[in-house]
Amino acid sequence: EIVLTQSPGTLSLSPGERATLSCRASQSVSSNYLAWYQQKPGQAPRLLIYAASSRATDIPDTFSGSGSGTDFTLTISRLEPEDFAVYYCQQYGSTPGTFGQGTKVEIK
Amino acid sequence: QLQLQESGPGLLKPSETLSLTCTVSGASISSTTSYWGWIRQPPGKGLEWIGSIYYGGSKYYNPSLESRITISLDTSKNQFSLNLRSVTATDTAVYFCARPRGRAAGPFDYWGQGTLVSVSS
Repeated sequence: EIVLTQSPGTLSLSPGERATLSCRASQSVSSNYLAWYQQKPGQAPRLLIYAASSRATDIPDTFSGSGSGTDFTLTISRLEPEDFAVYYCQQYGSTPGTFGQGTKVEIK
Repeated sequence: QLQLQESGPGLLKPSETLSLTCTVSGASISSTTSYWGWIRQPPGKGLEWIGSIYYGGSKYYNPSLESRITISLDTSKNQFSLNLRSVTATDTAVYFCARPRGRAAGPFDYWGQGTLVSVSS
């Protein structure tokens, strides 16, 4: 099973700032099948990025994904008030699919 | 627009079987070349992939739960279901049904709202 480790655990930033979230895998993710999700309290996760760098439908271009192999990054270029949430990475290249423990982006 | 909705009991006793159904609207689960899956999230914790089923019937389970789970399709009702046997308090979680896009374990592009299942004596 591939273990995903996200850092930092919490990111305290102000609206308008840039957020950089990291996801490191315990072994190489097959075909860079790495996704990022956003989750707000009481809601289901929302797919942001798949295949490491492809934006999902209706996701603004302020969200971008990069990386390959074992190191992946989600960047939010300019934080909007609605972007403060918990973010999870997930690898789906091999079963079982596994999720990181999450990074909380909070208002500073 | 594809929509998924979970249903099932919210409270179980230890050793009982958790049975959840996901009703799909906006697409036929038997006519699309798609997978259908379940994910859970214990209160205040992260996400865990439970398993998925392909429209043709192939099943993919998380090894950590494989001995206790069954996922099935009911094409006549456009539903798929999860059975989790011999539950304990550690199975308390919000259970989501979701559509993995293209592969058994993701990425999940459509989600139900989730249903909280509590296990307590």
